[in-house]
Amino acid sequence: EDKVVQSPLSLVVHEGDTVTLNCSYEVTNFRSLLWYKQEKKAPTFLFMLTSSGIEKKSGRLSSILDKKELFSILNITATQTGDSAIYLCAVPSYNQGGKLIFGQGTELSVKP
Amino acid sequence: SQTIHQWPATLVQPVGSPLSLECTVEGTSNPNLYWYRQAAGRGLQLLFYSVGIGQISSEVPQNLSASRPQDRQFILSSKKLLLSDSGFYLCAWTGLMNTEAFFGQGTRLTVV
Repeated sequence: EDKVVQSPLSLVVHEGDTVTLNCSYEVTNFRSLLWYKQEKKAPTFLFMLTSSGIEKKSGRLSSILDKKELFSILNITATQTGDSAIYLCAVPSYNQGGKLIFGQGTELSVKP
Repeated sequence: SQTIHQWPATLVQPVGSPLSLECTVEGTSNPNLYWYRQAAGRGLQLLFYSVGIGQISSEVPQNLSASRPQDRQFILSSKKLLLSDSGFYLCAWTGLMNTEAFFGQGTRLTVV
């Protein structure tokens, strides 16, 4: 069965800390992995990763994919209180017609 | 450009009452459509997805049903709500290749 697993489920840090969020997956016909940030309502798109070893970067956020070991990490450096959110990892599954599978999410809380 | 509309934003319903949540997509054709439910602080649980009109795949046995009467319309329903149906419901769409997902603003349902 296709699945996406995120860890940790929750994390509390202080401003300025660096955090690493993990996402492992087992899906049929892997093509891409997506990261989202969700604050109050709809998740907002962060990154799409398709190739191993190529880092995607946006400001203090960066992400990389390892297709051999079937995981991705999302790094946030110099965290700010505005980074507090649920971070979601998703992988499209092409088993049985295709669907987008999400992990359980990591709830990050950044304290001042 | 593509947009997705989901309504209502909040809903308070008594136990045993019916439910109808609607989601419509504009600016694209043949989208894959999804209904997710999210418990507080957690990831997205896939409830239903649809790859075409009248084609609905159910992911978990439950008190809910979904329908897709038109290409860009996706409806989540229940004949009789349970307390356990409370949660945050998100509608989303992806293109044919199931890459980036676009989300509605969500409906916070409270069953009392």
